Amino acid sequence: SQKIEQNSEALNIQEGKTATLTCNYTNYSPAYLQWYRQDPGRGPVFLLLIRENEKEKRKERLKVTFDTTLKQSLFHITASQPADSATYLCARASAGNMLTFGGGTRLMVKP
Amino acid sequence: GAGVSQSPSNKVTEKGKDVELRCDPISGHTALYWYRQSLGQGLEFLIYFQGNSAPDKSGLPSDRFSAERTGGSVSTLTIQRTQQEDSAVYLCASSSTTGLAGNEQFFGPGTRLTVL
Repeated sequence: SQKIEQNSEALNIQEGKTATLTCNYTNYSPAYLQWYRQDPGRGPVFLLLIRENEKEKRKERLKVTFDTTLKQSLFHITASQPADSATYLCARASAGNMLTFGGGTRLMVKP
Repeated sequence: GAGVSQSPSNKVTEKGKDVELRCDPISGHTALYWYRQSLGQGLEFLIYFQGNSAPDKSGLPSDRFSAERTGGSVSTLTIQRTQQEDSAVYLCASSSTTGLAGNEQFFGPGTRLTVL
């Protein structure tokens, strides 16, 4: 079965630094990966999508990479702010666009 | 415009009772998904509807779980004879299309179900 793995330990960083979150997958490469942000008590909110033929995708302070050799995606937040504190979820799509989510990584940005 | 809405926001029930959870997707979205999120866990896919096609029920954990989508819009997730392990947040999402195009999914706020 296809699996998505994220570091379950919380990531604590200082404001202004770059946060890097890791998403690893098993078996064949998905056509694309999606990244979502989830705040406590709320549903996930879509951030970025990267396709397997794309090495990198950027959106404002966010950057996502996709390495099909390592079977890994990295999610970067540059110039992090306390408001970036949340849980970040990586997801791969199966047929029909059903998403298989990783367990998420909680990010804490300290002022 | 309005996003995905779910009701109730919280539901507390006794073991053995049936519950119904409702999802109103974004108007015009043809695809609708139900997920379950247990405490501190990632989202687990349950069921998926696309237009008038038969739903994909491959994620439903047992035959106590069922879902309907009436008129291609509102969906109801029903859990019969609830068990304590059913306690979780149930999330609904919709998207404008399906396939491997990678369309983003828009999530509702979820229904927190507690089975005593």
